[in-house]
Amino acid sequence: GAGVSQSPSNKVTEKGKDVELRCDPISGHTALYWYRQSLGQGLEFLIYFQGNSAPDKSGLPSDRFSAERTGGSVSTLTIQRTQQEDSAVYLCASSFLAGGAYEQYFGPGTRLTVT
Amino acid sequence: AQSVAQPEDQVNVAEGNPLTVKCTYSVSGNPYLFWYVQYPNRGLQFLLKYITGDNLVKGSYGFEAEFNKSQTSFHLKKPSALVSDSALYFCAVSTPDMRFGAGTRLTVKP
Repeated sequence: GAGVSQSPSNKVTEKGKDVELRCDPISGHTALYWYRQSLGQGLEFLIYFQGNSAPDKSGLPSDRFSAERTGGSVSTLTIQRTQQEDSAVYLCASSFLAGGAYEQYFGPGTRLTVT
Repeated sequence: AQSVAQPEDQVNVAEGNPLTVKCTYSVSGNPYLFWYVQYPNRGLQFLLKYITGDNLVKGSYGFEAEFNKSQTSFHLKKPSALVSDSALYFCAVSTPDMRFGAGTRLTVKP
């Protein structure tokens, strides 16, 4: 599979629980991005990685959100003590390098529902 | 700050008519501009990009976009719309992270 993969595809969790979302980028892509999309609306930028470093964490909505990337490949987005307003589709994308003329390739997303 | 704006939430066109989805940008320096499309229940797909050179950029599915520096615009166009073009369209600027517009929902009616 050459595309960006995300798991799980769907996650239903109870308010207050922690969740981990996983993204596996395209092989060879050094940049990785996380976005949030609510009900077919616009994309909210969360964080991006160049290699294993996250130069800009300003998009994370609160300190309950964190992300890491190891080995320049897989990334996990962790949401602690989930709230109902966290319900959304979480999209991951990767590109050859961050910025410039490099387009992003998106995964299918993880639909998170907090009950 | 680098940003793009999509002034229309919704665009409706009849099949066979030309379509335009508008995007304006605010960028210091030379912009790298992109269009993405999101079909119902599917992920975002790259359509086309402007880097430099020819102001008319051609992309997938018969779409093209015109870069206009004086008007700071990067409108998406297609000469003859298809019902299957109905989707959510996003303009974006590379900053180095990608900043997206709010999206425009295009509906093409038979």
